[in-house]
Amino acid sequence: QKEVEQNSGPLSVPEGAIASLNCTYSDRVSQSFFWYRQYSGKSPELIMSIYSNGDKEDGRFTAQLNKASQYVSLLIRDSQPSDSATYLCAVLNAGGTSYGKLTFGQGTILTVHP
Amino acid sequence: DAEITQSPRHKITETGRQVTLACHQTWNHNNMFWYRQDLGHGLRLIHYSYGVQDTNKGEVSDGYSVSRSNTEDLPLTLESAASSQTSVYFCASKRNLDTEAFFGQGTRLTVV
Repeated sequence: QKEVEQNSGPLSVPEGAIASLNCTYSDRVSQSFFWYRQYSGKSPELIMSIYSNGDKEDGRFTAQLNKASQYVSLLIRDSQPSDSATYLCAVLNAGGTSYGKLTFGQGTILTVHP
Repeated sequence: DAEITQSPRHKITETGRQVTLACHQTWNHNNMFWYRQDLGHGLRLIHYSYGVQDTNKGEVSDGYSVSRSNTEDLPLTLESAASSQTSVYFCASKRNLDTEAFFGQGTRLTVV
């Protein structure tokens, strides 16, 4: 089992719809979770971080965390063509010699079509 | 503005040559990382450093080395380049161990 898994995608949604991106992780003691957006040919850029169970909203983006289910998601409301990118879920390794390292999922490609 | 820069942005080299990719950050972050990104594999950690003179192996460290002689730089060296090391390489840094990482622009390396 991979340490961080994302829904396989690619995901295609119409403009104005809600895009839902999902991520599960295997390390039960992980405490910090991040969503990065990566445009084609560019570097990953941080869009959301979440540390506590529940929802965290920032503009059109909402991150949701459920530590009991080891699940983190990203919702993009009113999706725009400019949201078309690869979205990477990252989990902070929590213990021992691995502390401080980020483990990434393989990414989900999102396409928002007009 | 503080930033993290990588050089070169693109590099073509021959099998067996030694190659060094540069990474320089001006945030004064202690924590620096090198990843490679390949289709189907996402970002995989090569090496990382938590401070000057500290270096650690990541999950795909074979054939790579790093050194940390100051806070700002973490160069990545491919001792003898192989075609399997053709990839996009990203350097990242973070202020604290429990916070997010910020990435450089990436270096696209082709080994022929």
